[in-house]
Amino acid sequence: DIQMTQSPSSLSVSVGDRVTITCRASQRIGTFLNWYQQRVGKAPDLLIFAASTLKSGVPSRFSGGGSGTDFTLTISGLQPEDFATYYCQQSYSVPRTFGQGTKVEIK
Amino acid sequence: EVQVVESGGGLVNPGGSLRLSCAASGFTRFTFKDAWMTWVRQAPGKGLEWVGHIKSRAGGGTADYATVVKGRFSISRDDSKNTVYLQMNSLKIEDTGVYFCVAVDSVTTNAWYHFLAHWGQGALVTVSS
Repeated sequence: DIQMTQSPSSLSVSVGDRVTITCRASQRIGTFLNWYQQRVGKAPDLLIFAASTLKSGVPSRFSGGGSGTDFTLTISGLQPEDFATYYCQQSYSVPRTFGQGTKVEIK
Repeated sequence: EVQVVESGGGLVNPGGSLRLSCAASGFTRFTFKDAWMTWVRQAPGKGLEWVGHIKSRAGGGTADYATVVKGRFSISRDDSKNTVYLQMNSLKIEDTGVYFCVAVDSVTTNAWYHFLAHWGQGALVTVSS
């Protein structure tokens, strides 16, 4: 199984801050990498697929990058509704493993 | 708008069985029979865990599973009812959690990129004596 490791596990930030979350795969996965946002008590929601393509309707302050084993999710100018947990997931092979999640909290 | 609705959750004893159902509707880019359907679970206070998926009939109709559930869980589908099922046998306490049913979408450039596009609200499964 491909292991997905996110860092940091949590971070405390302020509205307007720039946030970068890293996701590392245990083997090369090309750009078969998706990002999801989960707000408290809600189902997750797709943000980015194929490493860098924003889902329609996702604000442009979200961006994704990377390929191979190292990926990033960046939020430029954090908004109150962005406080949530973010997960990466690889779609290169089965099982389609997730990272452990990164919780973005209010400072 | 795509709607995904899980049902069948509840309390079950360790070693017992439970079947979850998931009805999906409202697809516009494709029909249910063309959709790969996935189950994802989340233990209380924990992260997301991919459980398994079932491909469309055109994609082979086969299912793949996470290592920890292989041999105990099985996924099936009834395209005439726009429904997918998760049969869970030999349940363990660590199987407790919310089970999400998700419709997969995909795009292709030089390869097929699959992603979890449409999520249900989840069904709670509690394994306890």
